[in-house]
Amino acid sequence: GAVVSQHPSRVICKSGTSVKIECRSLDFQATTMFWYRQFPKKSLMLMATSNEGSKATYEQGVEKDKFLINHASLTLSTLTVTSAHPEDSSFYICSARSDTEQYFGPGTRLTVT
Amino acid sequence: EDKVVQSPLSLVVHEGDTVTLNCSYEVTNFRSLLWYKQEKKAPTFLFMLTSSGIEKKSGRLSSILDKKELFSILNITATQTGDSAIYLCAVSGGSNYKLTFGKGTLLTVNP
Repeated sequence: GAVVSQHPSRVICKSGTSVKIECRSLDFQATTMFWYRQFPKKSLMLMATSNEGSKATYEQGVEKDKFLINHASLTLSTLTVTSAHPEDSSFYICSARSDTEQYFGPGTRLTVT
Repeated sequence: EDKVVQSPLSLVVHEGDTVTLNCSYEVTNFRSLLWYKQEKKAPTFLFMLTSSGIEKKSGRLSSILDKKELFSILNITATQTGDSAIYLCAVSGGSNYKLTFGKGTLLTVNP
């Protein structure tokens, strides 16, 4: 099946700094990528939908100025958590849509100290 | 608002048992229903269902969709300890194929 990568897989940062997470579709072009957040023992919560070449669509309650999403090409989307705080610590997962399915990246564990 | 409800939320069985996991949904412009297995990392894809009544099978796992009653079941026969995981049901809908996830069923298979 198709492969989606995320980088980094794990990151620890200090409060107030910004962190960028990359999501790449390795063997297909993804016109749409999705960013999810998952808290421990909870389900995935969609944060935003990212379409190549246009602004991301954010779900209700997700601050677009805090979670900056850029979908620069058909194979790359980035999520930047700006001015991170401890409550932003979470597992961030991207997915990329091909014509028929969605494939998930392996996730990024963010810890803000 | 799209909604996906999974039951039970958790389940403990012994190796060799058969389990049935349930997923009901309400979604605008339904496109497909997907099942994922999540262990320690991101979810891994199991099945995608688009048509009613057609069973999809992969080894000991099978799934079927009922679009009239708006639900799906995931069956696992002869469970093994390696089946222990969270099983997530998601529904794809709308113009951009957005996935709405249920809360998942935590399955624990004891030896």
